[in-house]
Amino acid sequence: AQSVSQHNHHVILSEAASLELGCNYSYGGTVNLFWYVQYPGQHLQLLLKYFSGDPLVKGIKGFEAEFIKSKFSFNLRKPSVQWSDTAEYFCAVNDYKLSFGAGTTVTVRA
Amino acid sequence: GAGVSQSPSNKVTEKGKDVELRCDPISGHTALYWYRQSLGQGLEFLIYFQGNSAPDKSGLPSDRFSAERTGGSVSTLTIQRTQQEDSAVYLCASTPPSGTEAFFGQGTRLTVV
Repeated sequence: AQSVSQHNHHVILSEAASLELGCNYSYGGTVNLFWYVQYPGQHLQLLLKYFSGDPLVKGIKGFEAEFIKSKFSFNLRKPSVQWSDTAEYFCAVNDYKLSFGAGTTVTVRA
Repeated sequence: GAGVSQSPSNKVTEKGKDVELRCDPISGHTALYWYRQSLGQGLEFLIYFQGNSAPDKSGLPSDRFSAERTGGSVSTLTIQRTQQEDSAVYLCASTPPSGTEAFFGQGTRLTVV
């Protein structure tokens, strides 16, 4: 199964700052890629996904992610964060089984 | 139902007791996963059921853990002789046949005292 690496354990930033979270997976082939978000006290929910086509995908709440096949990466970005983006973010890869990264805690200061 | 349902939502048990955690996936979903989320940790894969295939048990941490899925629907995760390190939130997720997205339940928070 895939191994998924998320580069940052905890990110702290101020409102209106830009956010980028790194995600790499271990090997190529046909994969489906996901970012999930878990807001405090809530269950995991899908932020965005990539299956094929345009490698730049847009998700909910202004998030986007770019799939770079040659780098086995699927980085998440948001140009201007809000306090409500405080959450834990998980990258996931599905080849035959869904594998998650360790997660990145994002704290946005008002 | 409308979503993945897990029960109980909270469980406090004494060390050494057995516990059963239940997951009702979304109707028609063929794949079912169990994960464990400990405080400050990521999602630890436990077990994966896909249709009628043999389950992938590679993530189960010890032989005290087992899971079954009856009739391709409801799943039960059983932890025998619970230990304090088993304390965590146990999450269940299901995916449709297309594998497009995993839908998560609210989880069961297990506390072993």
